[in-house]
Amino acid sequence: NAGVMQNPRHLVRRRGQEARLRCSPMKGHSHVYWYRQLPEEGLKFMVYLQKENIIDESGMPKERFSAEFPKEGPSILRIQQVVRGDSAAYFCASSPKETQYFGPGTRLLVL
Amino acid sequence: AQSVTQLGSHVSVSEGALVLLRCNYSSSVPPYLFWYVQYPNQGLQLLLKYTSAATLVKGINGFEAEFKKSETSFHLTKPSAHMSDAAEYFCAVIISGAGSYQLTFGKGTKLSVIP
Repeated sequence: NAGVMQNPRHLVRRRGQEARLRCSPMKGHSHVYWYRQLPEEGLKFMVYLQKENIIDESGMPKERFSAEFPKEGPSILRIQQVVRGDSAAYFCASSPKETQYFGPGTRLLVL
Repeated sequence: AQSVTQLGSHVSVSEGALVLLRCNYSSSVPPYLFWYVQYPNQGLQLLLKYTSAATLVKGINGFEAEFKKSETSFHLTKPSAHMSDAAEYFCAVIISGAGSYQLTFGKGTKLSVIP
């Protein structure tokens, strides 16, 4: 059983561009979570999704960030008009219920 | 609001010595508690979890943790450190019954193992 997959592993964007981060959950897992890890700030929850539904987006910045988990295909975290402060590691986790299993992360660098 | 406090951002132990990483949580309802390990430039790997069964939980790589409700603690231990244990360790909590299973993490403890 493959683990949680994320791609790309590394992403470089210039200020103002868009970043799309993909997450494929483990087989049989219907819950997907996104977290952001910033230096000196630790891991912070962003959003919790189930298929075609956003369940909890209380950790998402109000602007420029969006997430989806379509019926078919991976979950996508989209960041529009990136700024340098968006540089971070973004982790996806999937779970059958409360226990979450993490992917390797996408490290976003904004130049 | 729930929170997790990890005492000590850096811990150094000698190879073969006891590892003790501290975690305290605040919650007014029974929590789910987790320890994760992160190696450099990698994702988080689940070490162990407490979900209201036995209070002493055994995990992978020889680690274990004990849930102490009276102390609101969930400290991670390993009897004998190995060089491969050098990594960053995160304690995390989910408040059961809140409708969302979002993890709240402590700030992490970097473990160094001295040969």
